[in-house]
Amino acid sequence: SAVISQKPSRDICQRGTSLTIQCQVDSQVTMMFWYRQQPGQSLTLIATANQGSEATYESGFVIDKFPISRPNLTFSTLTVSNMSPEDSSIYLCSAGGGLTEAFFGQGTRLTVV
Amino acid sequence: GENVEQHPSTLSVQEGDSAVIKCTYSDSASNYFPWYKQELGKRPQLIIDIRSNVGEKKDQRIAVTLNKTAKHFSLHITETQPEDSAVYFCAASNPSNTGKLIFGQGTTLQVKP
Repeated sequence: SAVISQKPSRDICQRGTSLTIQCQVDSQVTMMFWYRQQPGQSLTLIATANQGSEATYESGFVIDKFPISRPNLTFSTLTVSNMSPEDSSIYLCSAGGGLTEAFFGQGTRLTVV
Repeated sequence: GENVEQHPSTLSVQEGDSAVIKCTYSDSASNYFPWYKQELGKRPQLIIDIRSNVGEKKDQRIAVTLNKTAKHFSLHITETQPEDSAVYFCAASNPSNTGKLIFGQGTTLQVKP
């Protein structure tokens, strides 16, 4: 199993600013993913964080808004840029997948005011 | 891309009764199907998963069935208990496509004492 530490756990931000969320895994993993979960909703995949190359974004998500870094096999960051109230949500990182269990960080609850 | 539909969105049962949640998927190449339980304010936790080479898997009170021909899979919880109350998500993964998980919309299960 993998243990994932995500921070911050919550934040309140002013519109127009940016927030970077960090995700640290206790072991090397090939795949890392970033999800958004709006209140009472399901998990929507934002992007796959690829080690050593650009992230792969899902439809509706763009790099300028959600830049992602993956400098090594245990760490990734997601930045939410130029925030608006519509970005208020829970952001979750995940590691693993494929044919094996995917583990999740505890989530970052973001409120944009 | 993959699309996962989940039903029902809410389910209320009496303690001791059974609960069934159903999902359908669209990508015939998907071959890994996990189920996650998410309690309020917490991260999703894997409760059971199934791979496409089997049709059924059981773990105590929980079972999952898979029909690859029809592209649907179901979660069965027997002898429900109040602590089973949570939101349940199904997901599908095509390992040849990065292994990312695509989630269903979620089912809120309420078990009444």
